[in-house]
Formats: sequence, structure tokens, C-alpha cells
Amino acid sequence: DGGITQSPKYLFRKEGQNVTLSCEQNLNHDAMYWYRQDPGQGLRLIYYSQIVNDFQKGDIAEGYSVSREKKESFPLTVTSAQKNPTAFYLCASRHTPSGTDTQYFGPGTRLTVL
Amino acid sequence: AQSVTQLDSQVPVFEEAPVELRCNYSSSVSVYLFWYVQYPNQGLQLLLKYLSGSTLVESINGFEAEFNKSQTSFHLRKPSVHISDTAEYFCAVSGTGRRALTFGSGTRLQVQP
Repeated sequence: DGGITQSPKYLFRKEGQNVTLSCEQNLNHDAMYWYRQDPGQGLRLIYYSQIVNDFQKGDIAEGYSVSREKKESFPLTVTSAQKNPTAFYLCASRHTPSGTDTQYFGPGTRLTVL
Repeated sequence: AQSVTQLDSQVPVFEEAPVELRCNYSSSVSVYLFWYVQYPNQGLQLLLKYLSGSTLVESINGFEAEFNKSQTSFHLRKPSVHISDTAEYFCAVSGTGRRALTFGSGTRLQVQP
């Protein structure tokens, strides 16, 4: 089955720790995205990547970092500089040649800071 | 810049009643419009989308949405809801160079028996 997987489903972090959230897709999509979801605020864009070895900051990139070494993978690191990291994190991908902007989402990772 | 406004944060409705979830957007360029649905602790699933052509688009589970360019709206409707439609619904637009989606704040549909 083709799709997007995110791991872990739940993640707990202590103050001052960096943690990395995994996102993998086997849809052969070029573009990948990370969003943060907080209650009542919809989804906000953290980072996105349109091709391998290239990525751009979204609207709320401070305290986060990403890499895109492989087409299938787009991991997100939440650093200790992120002041309020407790949230639901969603990864998405898009097939850029289709030109439709339709994004497909993974199941999400819920991060809680202890 | 783009923005999306979902006018209702929660919509309670009885089973088999009709429902409308409202979405208005602003954009200086032509847009694509989307509705996504999210069940608790899950990712978002694409419900329907407007890219071009007919302004009325339908999903396989009975939802429909109509693109109204003059009113910059893309309201979601269903003539008869089921308990299983209880979820959060997000309206989204795209059209900037980065091709990322701009989301509304979501509407929680609560279907009561």
C-alpha cells in the first residue's frame, strides 16, 4: 500500500532535549511538508521541501530543523530552542508534476513536553 | 497573502438533518480550494477539492461544496448527516509560489442521535 508513515505516534520529551520525528512516503512525491496543529488554530506550516537536498522555512520555523537527503524521507527535529513544542505534528506530501496542489497527510505524531 | 476563515468553531446537529460548514477565503491570485476531514488523533483526509471547471464538487460520501468566486466562499454541505460524520473539518486554499496550503482554524461537527 502506498502512503505516508509517521513515527512515533506519541513522543514525550524532557525540557532541553532535542527530538526527531520521522516521516516516510512511498508515493514517489517530490514535495513534502511539516505542519503543526494546536487546538483551535488549524494547521501552521513549519518547513517544506520541493526537491531532495532543498527545503524552505514556513511560517513558524523557529526552533525546528529538517533535512531532505532522500526523496522518501523528511525528518523533523524539534530543538530545545522551541519554547512550546507540545502539539500534534503532521507530515504531508504532494506530487508536484500534477499541478493540483493536493496534499496527502500522514497519521501524525503527538509530542508532549514533560 | 492568503487567509481562510471558518466562521463556526463548532456545529451541533441532529442525525439526518442537513448541515452547512462555512468557509471564506481571501487571495490576490487564483486559488485551488480543499476540504479535509480529521477524526480524533488521526491525520487529515481529503474530502473534496475545487481546481477548475464546474463550481459544484462532490465527495463519495455525500458531501458537496460550491465555489463562489464573487463571494470568495467554498461552503461545505450535506443534506443528511450521520453519526459517523462527527469529526473536525478544515477548509484550505493554495495558490502561492511555495504551493503549501493555508488552513482555516477548523469546524467541529458534532452529530447527535
